[in-house]
Amino acid sequence: LAKTTQPISMDSYEGQEVNITCSHNNIATNDYITWYQQFPSQGPRFIIQGYKTKVTNEVASLFIPADRKSSTLSLPRVSLSDTAVYYCLVGFRGDDYKLSFGAGTTVTVRA
Amino acid sequence: DSGVTQTPKHLITATGQRVTLRCSPRSGDLSVYWYQQSLDQGLQFLIQYYNGEERAKGNILERFSAQQFPDLHSELNLSSLELGDSALYFCASSPGRANTGELFFGEGSRLTVL
Repeated sequence: LAKTTQPISMDSYEGQEVNITCSHNNIATNDYITWYQQFPSQGPRFIIQGYKTKVTNEVASLFIPADRKSSTLSLPRVSLSDTAVYYCLVGFRGDDYKLSFGAGTTVTVRA
Repeated sequence: DSGVTQTPKHLITATGQRVTLRCSPRSGDLSVYWYQQSLDQGLQFLIQYYNGEERAKGNILERFSAQQFPDLHSELNLSSLELGDSALYFCASSPGRANTGELFFGEGSRLTVL
């Protein structure tokens, strides 16, 4: 499984854009990049998944450069309710994808 | 609401005891996954079942076992409990056999071992 590195914590203010970068230098050709969000005492929630370039949904955007050694989750105009832990996961969407979670990034949004 | 139901939400027991955690997956999902989240270990994958059969195994202790029943609900059995087993146990489900990376997690069962 590819190892991921992301900041331990980030602070932001309401209305700002939050960008969380995840490094995954040993990503394999078949690996996908997936991001989850977790609120305290709740189960993780799938946010977005991508393979290359840019993916956007109603919640976030995921930017993946050509070398795929990193990825950036972008949360537009955050609110207090976006305060959570965000996990970056890398793995092959197949039989052995055991979806291992690292320490994640704690994002704190302030008023 | 993810559609995944876990019971009980909270459980307090003593060392050496045995407990069973239950999970009902989303309607139509055939795969069930169990995860353990503790303060010092983060979110750890334990085991996956697909349509009643064990599919993948992670860091699951020998004292722990799981099964998935014909109605697709799953149970995680934890025995000879130790203080270090205190954690949040999450169940997740997905439609198919292969893990595409998009799992639907329940609210978890918080186990406290005293």
